[in-house]
Amino acid sequence: KAGVTQTPRYLIKTRGQQVTLSCSPISGHRSVSWYQQTPGQGLQFLFEYFSETQRNKGNFPGRFSGRQFSNSRSEMNVSTLELGDSALYLCASSLVGTGVNEQYFGPGTRLTVT
Amino acid sequence: KNEVEQSPQNLTAQEGEFITINCSYSVGISALHWLQQHPGGGIVSLFMLSSGKKKHGRLIATINIQEKHSSLHITASHPRDSAVYICAAETSGSRLTFGEGTQLTVNP
Repeated sequence: KAGVTQTPRYLIKTRGQQVTLSCSPISGHRSVSWYQQTPGQGLQFLFEYFSETQRNKGNFPGRFSGRQFSNSRSEMNVSTLELGDSALYLCASSLVGTGVNEQYFGPGTRLTVT
Repeated sequence: KNEVEQSPQNLTAQEGEFITINCSYSVGISALHWLQQHPGGGIVSLFMLSSGKKKHGRLIATINIQEKHSSLHITASHPRDSAVYICAAETSGSRLTFGEGTQLTVNP
């Protein structure tokens, strides 16, 4: 069974631009969560999608958004990039989520904003 | 005070030693996760537990719901166990709140 895949793996963008990251969950998994990891703030929850609906959202500005498609693949978008958005963005998938299933993490997308 | 606190932040051990990493949380949880992160960023889920104790190979995780405390133990530690270990409290809808992580170095 293929694991969670994320594309691209590395990305360099300029302040003010926007970026879209993609996450393909393990086949059959319906829950996809997104996380941001920075040296200063550590790992932080961005949002979770389940069956194409955002089920939970962390404390991030509206510049961070996401969506999930009918095949459970998910994208997250960051608009008007700031230097502080430089981070490792991780997604994780699980069967249905909510304390029932393990979360399987993708390798991450390392975003650098210059 | 962070909702999830881990100790110690850094831990150096000699190969073969018994290791314990502690995690305390202040929020209501549906599950407590222990994760391992190697250099380069890849995260592996080690345990998800909501009560009692789980064992996988040389790794053991325990949780005390009343005391809101969990521990990760590594028996007979090995240099390949060197990594960052992170505990995370799962609240509503798969939302994880993470501890700061414990950097473990096991020397041969």
